[in-house]
Amino acid sequence: GQQLNQSPQSMFIQEGEDVSMNCTSSSIFNTWLWYKQDPGEGPVLLIALYKAGELTSNGRLTAQFGITRKDSFLNISASIPSDVGIYFCAGSLIYNQGGKLIFGQGTELSVKP
Amino acid sequence: DADVTQTPRNRITKTGKRIMLECSQTKGHDRMYWYRQDPGLGLRLIYYSFDVKDINKGEISDGYSVSRQAQAKFSLSLESAIPNQTALYFCATSQGDTDTQYFGPGTRLTVL
Repeated sequence: GQQLNQSPQSMFIQEGEDVSMNCTSSSIFNTWLWYKQDPGEGPVLLIALYKAGELTSNGRLTAQFGITRKDSFLNISASIPSDVGIYFCAGSLIYNQGGKLIFGQGTELSVKP
Repeated sequence: DADVTQTPRNRITKTGKRIMLECSQTKGHDRMYWYRQDPGLGLRLIYYSFDVKDINKGEISDGYSVSRQAQAKFSLSLESAIPNQTALYFCATSQGDTDTQYFGPGTRLTVL
């Protein structure tokens, strides 16, 4: 089946550091979404990207839709302890029957105060 | 109040038992999904429904069945649970052709 390769799988950083994670695929995507999952909770949408090249920010978070439509990255600036959690990318394939998403494996972020 | 709710939040059962997980939503969305989460594998789609009369298999439907009782309710059943179905299960909703999905809090299922 279709796959998204998300990296890194885990990160251990110091509070205040910047973080970068990305997702790549051999397939072309129509939409890229970034979710965060806190322990014991369901994923919560952080940023949605709909156009190739689009760069969108949400507070300290910035995400971009790659111009090839095959990748996306998420940056977190000046990390804080509450950034801890698992971050997932998700994509909707071009020519997709609307609404179906493919998820990356997740990046587990740990922030040391 | 949460827009997407799941019951139960935790369940421990034995091999061979029938289990039903329930999902309700107050968002008024027409589309509902069931996912399974395993460590290191992300979220994998089990079944999805675009409206009450529409049910579709996802990536990993074997061993599962679903019922869309109403627009707001979508339940997932394990007819005869087995240990490798131990996982976190999430329900999600979306509206129309939009790709943005909203997730419930999850059900942690353990099959002994």
